[in-house]
This record gives sequence, C-alpha cells and structure tokens, in this order.
Amino acid sequence: AQSVTQPDIHITVSEGASLELRCNYSYGATPYLFWYVQSPGQGLQLLLKYFSGDTLVQGIKGFEAEFKRSQSSFNLRKPSVHWSDAAEYFCAVAQGNSGNTPLVFGKGTRLSVIA
Amino acid sequence: GAVVSQHPSWVICKSGTSVKIECRSLDFQATTMFWYRQFPKQSLMLMATSNEGSKATYEQGVEKDKFLINHASLTLSTLTVTSAHPEDSSFYICSARALALLYNEQFFGPGTRLTVL
Repeated sequence: AQSVTQPDIHITVSEGASLELRCNYSYGATPYLFWYVQSPGQGLQLLLKYFSGDTLVQGIKGFEAEFKRSQSSFNLRKPSVHWSDAAEYFCAVAQGNSGNTPLVFGKGTRLSVIA
Repeated sequence: GAVVSQHPSWVICKSGTSVKIECRSLDFQATTMFWYRQFPKQSLMLMATSNEGSKATYEQGVEKDKFLINHASLTLSTLTVTSAHPEDSSFYICSARALALLYNEQFFGPGTRLTVL
C-alpha cells in the first residue's frame, strides 16, 4: 500500500530564511505527487504537482519541489519565506492517473514563521 | 477554473439530527468526487469515493449507513451525516476530479466544519 511520510511535524523559520519540507513516499512505480497548503479553517490549495518529466517542479507562491526517485522523496523548498507562508503543508501521492484513485496524504507539517 | 464549493461552510446541530453537506464542481464536470474527514491538527482521511450514478465506495471503518453519499449529477455530490453524535464533529472536505483532465488531479472544496452538540 502507498504511504507518505512527512518526518517534521512542526518547523519554525525566520522570515526571509530558506525552507525545506521533507516528504518521502512508498510506492512501487512512479507516483503522482502533490504538495498542498492549508490555512487554518480552510480547504486545501495545490502548490505544485509532479507527474513526469523534469524532476524539479515549480509551483505557485515561489515554491518548488524536487522528485528524487533514488530517495523516494519529493521535498518542498522555498528560498525566502514570507510571514504569510505560515500554514499546514501536506504532501500527497496518487497511484497512477485513474479517475477513481484517491490521494494518500502525509500527516502534514506545520510551518511557523517568526520575525 | 476548476472551482469546488461546499455548503454549508459550517454547521452546528443537535445530537441525533441529520446534516447534509453539498459539494459542487462549479465550472467543470466531475465523474468522481472524494470525501475526506480531518480531525483537528491531523491529516485528511479518505472516507469514500463517489462516482456519478453509482454507489459510493467506502473506506474500511466508515459506516455507510451513517455517512450517506449521493452523487446524482456530474456537478453535485452530497454527504449526509445521519443521527449525528458529538464524535462526528469534524472538518469534512470534498474533492472532485475533472472529467476532461488527463491526470489524476483533484480540486478541493473549502471544507465544512460540523459541530454536534
């Protein structure tokens, strides 16, 4: 079965500092990978996704993620964090592109940003 | 494009009553919709997969008689929590897969916060 591990439950960074959120997945074939952000009491917003091709994926709000098959990882990065980036971040994986395949989510990483 | 709405955004009800939550794809047709549940400070847990015109597929441990799902059209799925109890209080989020998209990208609704007193 697929699984997603986000090792860091909570991360605090200073505004302007760089950020890396870790995500590891367990799946036999090439997965379809996603990063979502959730503000308190809100739904999920897609930051970026990886299906195939270039392993470095650019997303919205200045985020990027790199797919590394050898490490089964899909870490999210941002070079300079803004206070508005404080939120919960979820990594998710889908098994193929079947329309009936739901997403499996990691437990999330809560990002706090300090001045 | 690809907007999913949920109604209501929040609801408070008495124990024993039923609550219906709607999930609509506003600008696309969705053959498949998913219902997730999220407890405070936790991840999303899939409850069921809903396909237009057929019965929903429930995840293990989810009571299908308690959480009734109907997907009557390509733009609407409903989740009815029957005889709600305080332990059903949670954040319910739906997502929809666009019929025309090649890849398995889902668009999420804003969520419905249910509080059962």
